[in-house]
This record gives sequence, structure tokens and C-alpha cells, in this order.
Amino acid sequence: AQSVSQHNHHVILSEAASLELGCNYSYGGTVNLFWYVQYPGQHLQLLLKYFSGDPLVKGIKGFEAEFIKSKFSFNLRKPSVQWSDTAEYFCAVPAEGTGKLIFGQGTTLQVKP
Amino acid sequence: AAGVIQSPRHLIKEKRETATLKCYPIPRHDTVYWYQQGPGQDPQFLISFYEKMQSDKGSIPDRFSAQQFSDYHSELNMSSLELGDSALYFCASSRQYPYEQYFGPGTRLTVT
Repeated sequence: AQSVSQHNHHVILSEAASLELGCNYSYGGTVNLFWYVQYPGQHLQLLLKYFSGDPLVKGIKGFEAEFIKSKFSFNLRKPSVQWSDTAEYFCAVPAEGTGKLIFGQGTTLQVKP
Repeated sequence: AAGVIQSPRHLIKEKRETATLKCYPIPRHDTVYWYQQGPGQDPQFLISFYEKMQSDKGSIPDRFSAQQFSDYHSELNMSSLELGDSALYFCASSRQYPYEQYFGPGTRLTVT
């Protein structure tokens, strides 16, 4: 069965620090990958997506992610975080055939001003 | 741009009562998904519909049922509510492959 694993459960950074959140998936076939962000008390918003092509994808709010097929990874990065990036971040893959999202455990990012 | 609409946004029910949650997908999206998110947890898939037919089913209790109507809106019916049903319930919609899902604001259900 497909699965997603996020390595960092709780990350604390100071403003302007660089961010990298790890995500690994188990499925070896054609993979679509997503990162969602959930700000406190809000719904999930699509941050960025990978379907095919350039393995370095750019999303909203200065986030980017790199798909590395050989490592089954899709890590999220941001060169300089802001206090407003404080949120929960979820990596997800759609199940083959039906599209239900399989989420990682989530990473809580706390940015200190 | 139009987003996914959910109603109500907040719902307080007592144990053993019934609740109905509604979801209106983004126009031209043919698939609706329901997820449940407990405090501090990742969203858990409940059920999905494609073109008004159930397409997948997750860990949804038998007390819950759902359907998608001809106008593509969906309703999640929850009966014999239990305290453990208290959670955020999200609806998401997408077109078919590659299943790029957009989430609604959620319904926060509190069972007392």
C-alpha cells in the first residue's frame, strides 16, 4: 500500500532561517505529489504540486520542492522563513485509481520572530 | 476563483443525535472527498464520490453515510453521534487524474 512519511514532526526556526522538511513516499510507479499547508484554525491549502517534468517545482509564498525519484523523496524548502509561515505542513500522495489523499503525519513549523 | 463551500461551519450536537454536513464543490469538479481531522492529527479519508457514484471508502463508521447529488454537491449524514466524532470535517473536490484537490473551510463538529 502507498504510504507517506514525514521525518520532522516539530520544527522551530527563527525568522530568516532556511527551511527543509523531509517527505518520503513508498509507491514506485507514476507519482503525483502534493504539499499542503494548514495555518492555525484554517483549512488545508495547496502549497505546491508535482506531476511530471522539472523535478524542482515552485509553489506559493516562496516555497519550492524537489522530487528525487531515486530517493522516493519530495522535500519542501524555503530559503528564508517568516513568522507568518508558522503552520502545519502535510505531504500527500493520491491513491492510485481513486485519488484519495494519503497524508504524512504532518510537520508543525514554529517560526520565532 | 470559486472555492469549495461547506456548511455549517460549526455544529454542536449531543450524543445520539444526528448531523448533516454539506459540501458544494468547485464548479466543473466531478469528484468529492470527505476527510476527518482530529486535534493534532493528519486528515483521515472517509469516503469519495465520482460522478455521483461512490468511488472509494475509508475508515467511515457504519453510522455515517454520504451521497453526491445531481448538482454534484455532497452530504455527509452522521447518526447516533458519539463524543469521539468531535472533529473537523473537510470536504475537498477535484477533477479526475491527477487528483489535485482543493479543500473547503471545514465543519467543526462538537458532540457533547
